[in-house]
Amino acid sequence: GAVVSQHPSRVICKSGTSVKIECRSLDFQATTMFWYRQFPKKSLMLMATSNEGSKATYEQGVEKDKFLINHASLTLSTLTVTSAHPEDSSFYICSASLSENTEAFFGQGTRLTVV
Amino acid sequence: GQNIDQPTEMTATEGAIVQINCTYQTSGFNGLFWYQQHAGEAPTFLSYNVLDGLEEKGRFSSFLSRSKGYSYLLLKELQMKDSASYLCAVLDSNYQLIWGAGTKLIIKP
Repeated sequence: GAVVSQHPSRVICKSGTSVKIECRSLDFQATTMFWYRQFPKKSLMLMATSNEGSKATYEQGVEKDKFLINHASLTLSTLTVTSAHPEDSSFYICSASLSENTEAFFGQGTRLTVV
Repeated sequence: GQNIDQPTEMTATEGAIVQINCTYQTSGFNGLFWYQQHAGEAPTFLSYNVLDGLEEKGRFSSFLSRSKGYSYLLLKELQMKDSASYLCAVLDSNYQLIWGAGTKLIIKP
């Protein structure tokens, strides 16, 4: 299957700072990427869907100004958590899709801890 | 290393029963998830098992044996809309999700 690489795998940051998470499709071009958030022992929660070259579509309840998503190329999407607070501590995972009608492949996830 | 194994593809007939297996080898265990994903859509949560045994939820059931590092997802009374990929994922000791590659289930009339 296709490979999606997510970086960093773990990050600890101070409250009030911003953190950028990268999601790269290594051996294919990804038209669509999904960003998820997961709390311990809970299901994945879709945060937003991003399409290359256009604005991300955010799910209800997700603050677009706080979780900035950029999908500037067919191999890279970034999620920036701005002005992070302890309640933003969570596991963030991305997935990338070749096109609108094909399956998505998942990154390894990023564990964010805000102190 | 950490590893999740599940079949790449399975085919079943509408109205029948299918069992999708998942075996895992991970550093610690904090639960196992099953997700369903239709092409072009985000995955949807099906089940979470952390204790041994069978969890039934409508037409779908999930079984876990921690001693064997084994789980299965059982789908009954198959419908055409069940054609999708089914993903097995394990939460390891660091609460990192280890994902299987997914099983593509094809339902035939």
